[in-house]
Amino acid sequence: GQQLNQSPQSMFIQEGEDVSMNCTSSSIFNTWLWYKQDPGEGPVLLIALYKAGELTSNGRLTAQFGITRKDSFLNISASIPSDVGIYFCAGHPTGTASKLTFGTGTRLQVTL
Amino acid sequence: ETGVTQTPRHLVMGMTNKKSLKCEQHLGHNAMYWYKQSAKKPLELMFVYNFKEQTENNSVPSRFSPECPNSSHLFLHLHTLQPEDSALYLCASSQERRGGYGYTFGSGTRLTVV
Repeated sequence: GQQLNQSPQSMFIQEGEDVSMNCTSSSIFNTWLWYKQDPGEGPVLLIALYKAGELTSNGRLTAQFGITRKDSFLNISASIPSDVGIYFCAGHPTGTASKLTFGTGTRLQVTL
Repeated sequence: ETGVTQTPRHLVMGMTNKKSLKCEQHLGHNAMYWYKQSAKKPLELMFVYNFKEQTENNSVPSRFSPECPNSSHLFLHLHTLQPEDSALYLCASSQERRGGYGYTFGSGTRLTVV
């Protein structure tokens, strides 16, 4: 099946630092989504991207749909302790409107 | 209530027990999903239902039995589980449309099999 390679697997950063993570695929995607999962909870949608080149912000979060349609990145600026969690990328491969494919996740830890 | 609600939040069961997980969505979505999330492993899609019909079963053992009586409710019936089935079970729903769509997840049921 489709594979989404997400990196880094984990990050330890200090409060106030900026964070960047990305997701790549060997095939073209129609949609890119970024989710955050808090401990003991389900993933929550942060940002959805529907067009190649699209750059979208949600507060301190910014995500972009890569021009090649095979990658996406998520940036978090000025991190705070509540940014701790697991961030997942997800997307719909071209040719199918079903079955969202998820990345393996980036675990973010923020130290004071 | 809005969103996707899962009950119970936590469940401890013995290997010979029978239990059911419940998921309810109030978003008017037409597709529902069960995912398994184990420690340090990616989200594993288990079952997909579109308009109450099961459209995908990802080689899930028969000790997991889904049921979707209507487009708002989804159950996962469990029997004779194994300790390795301990995980967070997540339900999600979506509204299918062209161009892709996002899923809305519930908070999950943390299952421990003893």
